[in-house]
Amino acid sequence: GESVGLHLPTLSVQEGDNSIINCAYSNSASDYFIWYKQESGKGPQFIIDIRSNMDKRQGQRVTVLLNKTVKHLSLQIAATQPGDSAVYFCAENPIHAGKSTFGDGTTLTVKP
Amino acid sequence: DAGVIQSPRHEVTEMGQEVTLRCKPISGHDYLFWYRQTMMRGLELLIYFNNNVPIDDSGMPEDRFSAKMPNASFSTLKIQPSEPRDSAVYFCASSLSPSRLAGEEGGELFFGEGSRLTVL
Repeated sequence: GESVGLHLPTLSVQEGDNSIINCAYSNSASDYFIWYKQESGKGPQFIIDIRSNMDKRQGQRVTVLLNKTVKHLSLQIAATQPGDSAVYFCAENPIHAGKSTFGDGTTLTVKP
Repeated sequence: DAGVIQSPRHEVTEMGQEVTLRCKPISGHDYLFWYRQTMMRGLELLIYFNNNVPIDDSGMPEDRFSAKMPNASFSTLKIQPSEPRDSAVYFCASSLSPSRLAGEEGGELFFGEGSRLTVL
């Protein structure tokens, strides 16, 4: 029978291309945002974060963009490599709250 | 630091049995979180602690689930009795300051490798 579950967005890119992964968040009170990468069989790992007083932050090969007007977050990965293949989650934290709420995740596949 | 340590990595049990999952957070982290991950519901927060005190347990599914943190270096998540629908990967995570207030560092969560639970 047909399996029922989350239909994770998927993104397939060629090695060396740039990747853009998008995330819509729901809570206008969220003040702090984090991107995580989860490889198969492992726990999520921190990639990059951004506070709501910024609209862009760059790391090594990754950039996070925040658009508070439309409650949208994106993760850009430059020169995508096979090792970048994973599920990527965004997480939002309301100000002064102790907990993160995770999005559904996007599966990134990098073709050699 | 060894990171967040969870045990067991895999557990297969029969319906009705008690299951205890264990977590050792990163030393110095004063927040600890238990998440559950399934294909149906994604990553769900079950409960979190601050300085060993449960702060929000609104994600705990029902009374069959309980979590404790007797000291800063150890937490347990217990399911009694277990049911097939509890099958999932359970993650423990720790953090310095999840809301990362202005001037603070260390807002991200550090996850363990997870405990994969199968209830037959």
